[in-house]
Amino acid sequence: DTGVSQDPRHKITKRGQNVTFRCDPISEHNRLYWYRQTLGQGPEFLTYFQNEAQLEKSRLLSDRFSAERPKGSFSTLEIQRTEQGDSAMYLCASSDRDRYTFGSGTRLTVV
Amino acid sequence: DQQVKQNSPSLSVQEGRISILNCDYTNSMFDYFLWYKKYPAEGPTFLISISSIKDKNEDGRFTVFLNKSAKHLSLHIVPSQPGDSAVYFCAASDQGTGANNLFFGTGTRLTVIP
Repeated sequence: DTGVSQDPRHKITKRGQNVTFRCDPISEHNRLYWYRQTLGQGPEFLTYFQNEAQLEKSRLLSDRFSAERPKGSFSTLEIQRTEQGDSAMYLCASSDRDRYTFGSGTRLTVV
Repeated sequence: DQQVKQNSPSLSVQEGRISILNCDYTNSMFDYFLWYKKYPAEGPTFLISISSIKDKNEDGRFTVFLNKSAKHLSLHIVPSQPGDSAVYFCAASDQGTGANNLFFGTGTRLTVIP
């Protein structure tokens, strides 16, 4: 068990570009979550997968955001036409029941 | 609207003394509560949790107390150690209705002074 892995750790992109982040959950966990954390705030829920099915989406997830979890394993989060307000830490977590394990996050900076 | 609130942004405690971190929530449907610890540039690390059927849960130096009537929980760390210095987040979920996401507070930065 190597924990939850996220790639890349840091991403700097120009406004208007598309970016994609990857999350590899703990292998036996069937639940996967994406959260976003901005400075001075706690993590905010974005979306949730159970296996490959995306079961919940926050209203924070605008139509520029899309998440997938093909085959119920790793997940990707894509942001299209990035805006400066998208700058944040994007956290992935997985769980088997009650205990969520978070990855180290991907810090996105939009310039 | 912030459903989970941590009203103290920071707390400083002498090494060896007790640290008490507080958290309030507004949603009476929350039935599971967690505390996470976060170091800079890392994701939150699970610390301890409590179900709403209990009012206390203890794990080593960490104890969480839940007061459902006051919609309040607290994390006690005894004795505090310099390595405990981090940001602590309180989180809550409503598992009874099948909701699976966590609602987080804004965090309290704990500094343990050697």
